[in-house]
Amino acid sequence: SQTIHQWPATLVQPVGSPLSLECTVEGTSNPNLYWYRQAAGRGLQLLFYSVGIGQISSEVPQNLSASRPQDRQFILSSKKLLLSDSGFYLCAWSGGSGSSREREQYFGPGTRLTVT
Amino acid sequence: RKEVEQDPGPFNVPEGATVAFNCTYSNSASQSFFWYRQDCRKEPKLLMSVYSSGNEDGRFTAQLNRASQYISLLIRDSKLSDSATYLCVVNSGRNTGKLIFGQGTTLQVKP
Repeated sequence: SQTIHQWPATLVQPVGSPLSLECTVEGTSNPNLYWYRQAAGRGLQLLFYSVGIGQISSEVPQNLSASRPQDRQFILSSKKLLLSDSGFYLCAWSGGSGSSREREQYFGPGTRLTVT
Repeated sequence: RKEVEQDPGPFNVPEGATVAFNCTYSNSASQSFFWYRQDCRKEPKLLMSVYSSGNEDGRFTAQLNRASQYISLLIRDSKLSDSATYLCVVNSGRNTGKLIFGQGTTLQVKP
């Protein structure tokens, strides 16, 4: 079966510090991968999605970047964090194009980031 | 207009009650529809996909009305463990895997 891992679970970082959040998926190949942010009391906002290694699409202009160095690894980064970057960061996967599970997305446990 | 709109609630119901949530979406090209459940400070989990013919999974029934761009979720015989936020989700258009999430409807089931 497929599993998705994210770490760390919680993170407190000062303004201006760098960020690296990692997401890995097991039990599937060629997944579509997604990064979302959920601010306190708000809905999920899609930040990035990837359909393959090195292929990243950005949904909103922001202080963050994403990379996909391996098929099942997705990384969210920032060079300098802002207070507004605080939130609950969620990684998700779905089946790749043509997969029977292309439509549904499955989420990792998330990273709760507080920028101070 | 929001792409996916839900009544945020909260819906406070007694155990055993039947409760219904509604959701409207704005993109007529959307092809995929889902309900997710999110517990406090946890990740969303897929509850059920929503099909044109309607579908049922135990105490949960989902309906889709494409003409009205409206989705519903019915929960029968509510349990305390059903307390959560229910997210209505649609894909952003034809042939795209990008999903748009509603802000959720909060359900509190009381003993």
